[in-house]
Amino acid sequence: NAGVTQTPKFRVLKTGQSMTLLCAQDMNHEYMYWYRQDPGMGLRLIHYSVGEGTTAKGEVPDGYNVSRLKKQNFLLGLESAAPSQTSVYFCASRRTGLAGGELFFGEGSRLTVL
Amino acid sequence: AQSVTQLDSQVPVFEEAPVELRCNYSSSVSVYLFWYVQYPNQGLQLLLKYLSGSTLVKGINGFEAEFNKSQTSFHLRKPSVHISDTAEYFCAVSDFNQAGTALIFGKGTTLSVSS
Repeated sequence: NAGVTQTPKFRVLKTGQSMTLLCAQDMNHEYMYWYRQDPGMGLRLIHYSVGEGTTAKGEVPDGYNVSRLKKQNFLLGLESAAPSQTSVYFCASRRTGLAGGELFFGEGSRLTVL
Repeated sequence: AQSVTQLDSQVPVFEEAPVELRCNYSSSVSVYLFWYVQYPNQGLQLLLKYLSGSTLVKGINGFEAEFNKSQTSFHLRKPSVHISDTAEYFCAVSDFNQAGTALIFGKGTTLSVSS
């Protein structure tokens, strides 16, 4: 059982380049989230989706775009990468929108922007 | 908006000693509380959660947490730690008013267990 899978796991970009992080979940979960983790900052929500075809902004959405064309996939895009986007990115999913439900996390994608 | 404060950024302890990792949250009518653990170079996994009922919640790996509504706290405890408990621990909160019912995380506490 794969759970939540993120690709790629590591990536180095130059300032101004673009890239897409892919998150795939095989648990038929409705809700999906992208967080970024920075030292001493914990996890901060970038964007989220409450179902196929829907997306919404989180706490730190600037510089990122997302798409949820298929229920199992949630893509995070950087159109023009900046050094401030150097971070570890985590995707998470949840079966429903019930506030008490557990979030399941991927193993993270480490992005470095030079 | 909800917020979570983890009062210690680093907690060093010796093996077999007890440990408490402290977490306070901002008050809300309906709040759900979680503790997640992150081992080096891995994702987060759920340790335990409080939804309702008994204020003492037991989780995996011998951890437990106590919900204290009057003090808006949800401290994590373990009576005897192992080297393998070395990890980063995150307290998180969720409520019905939170957009997308996303979890709001604290900044994390690094637990370092030495022999």
